[in-house]
Amino acid sequence: DAGVTQSPTHLIKTRGQHVTLRCSPISGHKSVSWYQQVLGQGPQFIFQYYEKEERGRGNFPDRFSARQFPNYSSELNVNALLLGDSALYLCASSRGDSGYNEQFFGPGTRLTVL
Amino acid sequence: AQSVTQPDIHITVSEGASLELRCNYSYGATPYLFWYVQSPGQGLQLLLKYFSGDTLVQGIKGFEAEFKRSQSSFNLRKPSVHWSDAAEYFCAVGASNAGNMLTFGGGTRLMVKP
Repeated sequence: DAGVTQSPTHLIKTRGQHVTLRCSPISGHKSVSWYQQVLGQGPQFIFQYYEKEERGRGNFPDRFSARQFPNYSSELNVNALLLGDSALYLCASSRGDSGYNEQFFGPGTRLTVL
Repeated sequence: AQSVTQPDIHITVSEGASLELRCNYSYGATPYLFWYVQSPGQGLQLLLKYFSGDTLVQGIKGFEAEFKRSQSSFNLRKPSVHWSDAAEYFCAVGASNAGNMLTFGGGTRLMVKP
């Protein structure tokens, strides 16, 4: 079975631009979570979606938004990019909505903001 | 609020030596505890997890971890390190009432000397 896939792999944007990152979960997984990993730090939770509904939101500004589609894939959108948004964005999928459901992480999208 | 501390930013061990990576967490109830490994340019791979029961848990690649409630710790151990274990290791905590959200520590970078 294919693992979690993310696209694009790398992305370079300039300040003020908008970016959309995409994630396809493992088949049968209904929950998708997004994390931001700044270089040298641990991942930080941004959003969780389960059955197309937002189930959790981390401490990120409203410039960050996400959605989940009927096929359970997900998009993360970031508006008005800042230099500090440069990071590895990780997507994770799991079968259920509980903390004991194992999460499987994708390889990430490396975003560079110039 | 949950928090995770990994006191050691970098650790260097010789191949064949034993390893212990420290993790301390802060959470009011019984947490769900995880250890993940991240190789350069890769996503996160789950090594092991603790939800309840036996406080010594076995994981993949010969790793184990022990949950000590009195010390709020969940340290990762391996009796004999291999060069391929060189990577970044992250401790994370989840909760029964927080969906899939994980709070990660800052990570420990393991280097292995030949």
